[in-house]
Amino acid sequence: QKEVEQNSGPLSVPEGAIASLNCTYSDRGSQSFFWYRQYSGKSPELIMSIYSNGDKEDGRFTAQLNKASQYVSLLIRDSQPSDSATYLCAVNRPKVRGYNKLIFGAGTRLAVHP
Amino acid sequence: EAGVVQSPRYKIIEKKQPVAFWCNPISGHNTLYWYRQNLGQGPELLIRYENEEAVDDSQLPKDRFSAERLKGVDSTLKIQPAELGDSAVYLCASSFPSGAITDTQYFGPGTRLTVL
Repeated sequence: QKEVEQNSGPLSVPEGAIASLNCTYSDRGSQSFFWYRQYSGKSPELIMSIYSNGDKEDGRFTAQLNKASQYVSLLIRDSQPSDSATYLCAVNRPKVRGYNKLIFGAGTRLAVHP
Repeated sequence: EAGVVQSPRYKIIEKKQPVAFWCNPISGHNTLYWYRQNLGQGPELLIRYENEEAVDDSQLPKDRFSAERLKGVDSTLKIQPAELGDSAVYLCASSFPSGAITDTQYFGPGTRLTVL
């Protein structure tokens, strides 16, 4: 079992719809969670972070965290073609030898079509 | 404020040749990371520096990979000799070293390495 699992996609949604991206993680002690967006040929760009159970909203993006279910999701409202990218879920593994370690999922490819 | 700077952006070499990548982190970020990202995968940590000290190099293939961060700012990652399987994007990231769970890593543009 991978530490951080994501559906590889592609997830195809029409412009204006809500895109829902999901991620599960295996280490129950994980405390911080990040969503990065990566356009083709570019580097990962942080778009959301979440640390507590519940929802966190930032513009069109909402991150949701459920630690009991070891599940984190990202909702993108009013999806635009410019949102088409790969979305990487990253989980901060609890400290080993004094340091956190960020573990990435393989990413979900999102395609928003006009 | 300038982001993480990496060079070169692209490198094509033949197998068994050496190659080196350079990274300059965001000013004030004492923590520096090197990741490797294979096609269709997420980044995987190779090595983490706190200032000049490599505090996590457990995933660095030490038979052929080496890294240094002299003076605690710029860093160089080297592969010698390169193998076909080393073809990937090598990403450098940096973060402010508060040690908190909220520490956020910022990535550079990466170096795309192709080994022929």
